[in-house]
Amino acid sequence: EPEVTQTPSHQVTQMGQEVILRCVPISNHLYFYWYRQILGQKVEFLVSFYNNEISEKSEIFDDQFSVERPDGSNFTLKIRSTKLEDSAMYFCASTRDETQYFGPGTRLLVL
Amino acid sequence: AQSVTQPDIHITVSEGASLELRCNYSYGATPYLFWYVQSPGQGLQLLLKYFSGDTLVQGIKGFEAEFKRSQSSFNLRKPSVHWSDAAEYFCALESSGNTPLVFGKGTRLSVIA
Repeated sequence: EPEVTQTPSHQVTQMGQEVILRCVPISNHLYFYWYRQILGQKVEFLVSFYNNEISEKSEIFDDQFSVERPDGSNFTLKIRSTKLEDSAMYFCASTRDETQYFGPGTRLLVL
Repeated sequence: AQSVTQPDIHITVSEGASLELRCNYSYGATPYLFWYVQSPGQGLQLLLKYFSGDTLVQGIKGFEAEFKRSQSSFNLRKPSVHWSDAAEYFCALESSGNTPLVFGKGTRLSVIA
């Protein structure tokens, strides 16, 4: 059964560094999402992407964040200058029939 | 504003006992509703979903959920819990297709022998 995959599974970075989180959505899915879950808190929506552009974004998704679909398979989330409060689990999801399927997540720790 | 409330942070049940996890939502119309499960170190796995029609929906792993419009609820049930069901369970709503999910805080299920 096709799955959403994410790399890396864990990432440790220094405050102020740039990180890129990678996702491979399920083939032939059309909508892509990034969510994050700060430890002990809710899963929160960051951004959605459709037809090679952002379709919706939350207040969290400020100028420090960007998304890209550089080729036909990858979907990336970039954080330009990480802050301590960016430490969280980041989930990618993709959807076709109005149901979102999630990847295993990337745990990001900013020191 | 849309919101999802899962009143129980942590529930412990005995293996073989029945289970009900509560979920209440706030939304001006009938949303799409989902239950996801997250095992330690794993991603969010879809258990079941409700879009319309029959208010009792069946999912994977023997789970079911019932949509009750009058109570704005979508509770998850299982008649007999297995030790492997120990995980975090998230209820979520979607206002319409292909829109962001709004999650509850989750309920952690522990299963004891």
